[in-house]
Amino acid sequence: GAGVSQSPRYKVAKRGQDVALRCDPISGHVSLFWYQQALGQGPEFLTYFQNEAQLDKSGLPSDRFFAERPEGSVSTLKIQRTQQEDSAVYLCASSFFVAVNTEAFFGQGTRLTVV
Amino acid sequence: GQQLNQSPQSMFIQEGEDVSMNCTSSSIFNTWLWYKQDPGEGPVLLIALYKAGELTSNGRLTAQFGITRKDSFLNISASIPSDVGIYFCAGRKVSTGTASKLTFGTGTRLQVTL
Repeated sequence: GAGVSQSPRYKVAKRGQDVALRCDPISGHVSLFWYQQALGQGPEFLTYFQNEAQLDKSGLPSDRFFAERPEGSVSTLKIQRTQQEDSAVYLCASSFFVAVNTEAFFGQGTRLTVV
Repeated sequence: GQQLNQSPQSMFIQEGEDVSMNCTSSSIFNTWLWYKQDPGEGPVLLIALYKAGELTSNGRLTAQFGITRKDSFLNISASIPSDVGIYFCAGRKVSTGTASKLTFGTGTRLQVTL
């Protein structure tokens, strides 16, 4: 596709349920970021991949959050035992270069609502 | 987590007016970015600033990277209805390359009336 694609666009989960959110970056993009955006707030960093390597996971809020990018393209963000405070929009972004100033493109996000 | 301070939080302006918003931080950032986010969409990059003191324009938009590296501002001239949306500043600590996280501001919601 032409841009970063995220699926599903909307997800409603019952508290305690596990969820998996998918990100298809732009083809050939090396860098991939996940951000969490609570209602009325700016995005907050969760984790960063360079190809398949997860180089920074300092923003993951708890051990219930897990991200992977096994083949260096598609990435999945998994949240186990969801809680109400996990309700947010989850944004994925990708960029081609890492060593020069080429900024990342964002996807439309997945809106997660935990009930 | 940390978020940069943006002001104003929201603003209502008339079509044709100029708009100014700013972003401040207690710590230094070596890259400043400005994004616009429409409802149900991801942020879209408007302007990127990589050097302290840099002034950059993109059409009706002008942004500056503060000399102290702790602030930035965005101006929109002659606003039009499609300028409606939420504007976010974002900073990055590393001085070269993009392989590092962004810290976003709290956002400025812009409403434009005819």
